[in-house]
Amino acid sequence: DAGVTQSPTHLIKTRGQQVTLRCSPKSGHDTVSWYQQALGQGPQFIFQYYEEEERQRGNFPDRFSGHQFPNYSSELNVNALLLGDSALYLCASSLGWATNEKLFFGSGTQLSVL
Amino acid sequence: QQQVKQSPQSLIVQKGGISIINCAYENTAFDYFPWYQQFPGKGPALLIAIRPDVSEKKEGRFTISFNKSAKQFSLHIMDSQPGDSATYFCAASIETPSNTGKLIFGQGTTLQVKP
Repeated sequence: DAGVTQSPTHLIKTRGQQVTLRCSPKSGHDTVSWYQQALGQGPQFIFQYYEEEERQRGNFPDRFSGHQFPNYSSELNVNALLLGDSALYLCASSLGWATNEKLFFGSGTQLSVL
Repeated sequence: QQQVKQSPQSLIVQKGGISIINCAYENTAFDYFPWYQQFPGKGPALLIAIRPDVSEKKEGRFTISFNKSAKQFSLHIMDSQPGDSATYFCAASIETPSNTGKLIFGQGTTLQVKP
C-alpha cells in the first residue's frame, strides 16, 4: 500500500519564477492538506482540499494556490517566488475532512529559491 | 492564541534514559494533541495522540501526559534508544468543521540518544 507520494523530491528555482509541486494521497484517502516547513521550524498549514475545493486556508498569500483532481491527487502552485519561499513542502492526506486523526505525511519536496 | 510552545529545542539523553519533551498552549478550544516524529529527509509520522478527556496515554515506550488546567502536555520516551534520535513535534488542533486539517505545530525538539 503506497503512502503519500510527492514529486519532485528536490527543486531549485530562481526568484520570480513559478513552481508546481505534486502529491498523490495514500490509497483510500480523499482529503489533501499542504504544509510549509522552513528549516528548523515546525510545519505551517497552507491549505486543505476536499472534493476538488479549497476548504480551509492558513495565513499564506494568494501567490500560493492549489488544485485537487477527481482522482484526489493535488498540486501546489507558487507564483512570483521569493527567497523566503525556500522550504520543505509537505503534503498530508486523510480520509474525510472531519478529523485530524490518522493524518499521513509524505516525505516532502525540498524547494530552494536562489 | 494559536501558538503551541515546545521545549527544549534540543535534548541529549543516554541510551536507556528517559526523554521528556514539553508543550504549552493557550487556546482552550484545542481538542486534539498529537506528537509527530520526523527523521532527516522524511515527513512527520504520527507517534501518539491524546484528547483532553484523559490525563495520560501510553503506547509502548511512549507516554503522553496531559494537564488540562495548566494547558500543558508532554511526551515521555522510556528506555530511550539510539534509533529514537529524531526531531519531535507536538501539535494541536480544533476539530470543528471549519478547522479540521489545520494542525498547529510546535517548533520541534531535536533528540539525540547516545549509545
